Amino acid sequence: QLQLQESGPGLVKPSETLSLTCTVSGASISSPSHYWGWIRQPPGKGPEWIGSMFYSESPYYNPSLKSRVTISVDTSQNQVSLKLSSVIAADTAVYYCARRLIGWGAFDVWGLGTKVTISS
Amino acid sequence: DIVLTQSPGTLSLSPGEGATLSCRASQSINSNYFAWYQQKPGQAPRLLISSASRRATGIPDRFSGSGSGTDFILTISRLEPEDFAVYYCHQYGSSPWTFGQGTQVEVK
Repeated sequence: QLQLQESGPGLVKPSETLSLTCTVSGASISSPSHYWGWIRQPPGKGPEWIGSMFYSESPYYNPSLKSRVTISVDTSQNQVSLKLSSVIAADTAVYYCARRLIGWGAFDVWGLGTKVTISS
Repeated sequence: DIVLTQSPGTLSLSPGEGATLSCRASQSINSNYFAWYQQKPGQAPRLLISSASRRATGIPDRFSGSGSGTDFILTISRLEPEDFAVYYCHQYGSSPWTFGQGTQVEVK
């Protein structure tokens, strides 16, 4: 059964870098059929797409975050990672990793999410 | 960016009633890249509909999606107790991929 599990610190100080990892079990991150992505959801708001990547291609990012975001995959660990630099309070959110089928597929499998608070 | 505006913000209904949720896009969308999600408190969004009208695996047939261009509809034919939740629309055909602000379906 496919599972995605996000992990990382729940509290990050302003101006520092937020680093999260998504561990995928039950499927290979090197699948030729899927993208892997990060989505966040600030408290009380709708989701916001951060970025996505296919395991063998360059990632693509939301332009509003592009200057601060890095998404990468580690095929040996079957993990997808997210780094968001120079964080501010507005980056406080629940961060989700999710899988999307290539072509017309939407994000069909999501992790449980991890809450990240930006505060000193 | 394509802005998705959902209406109404809140829908107050009783179990057994039908629900119609609307999502309007700021510009035309390829309907192949349009989806609806359901989210309950403390849970991740759950895919209901992709490609505007294709039900995801395991989604009951009381959920149906329709629309094209800038106007999309999610219909729940008869509300079950487990359907009271927040619903989001989502377009993933034009970067940046965007979500609506949500419609809450609450018990009247």
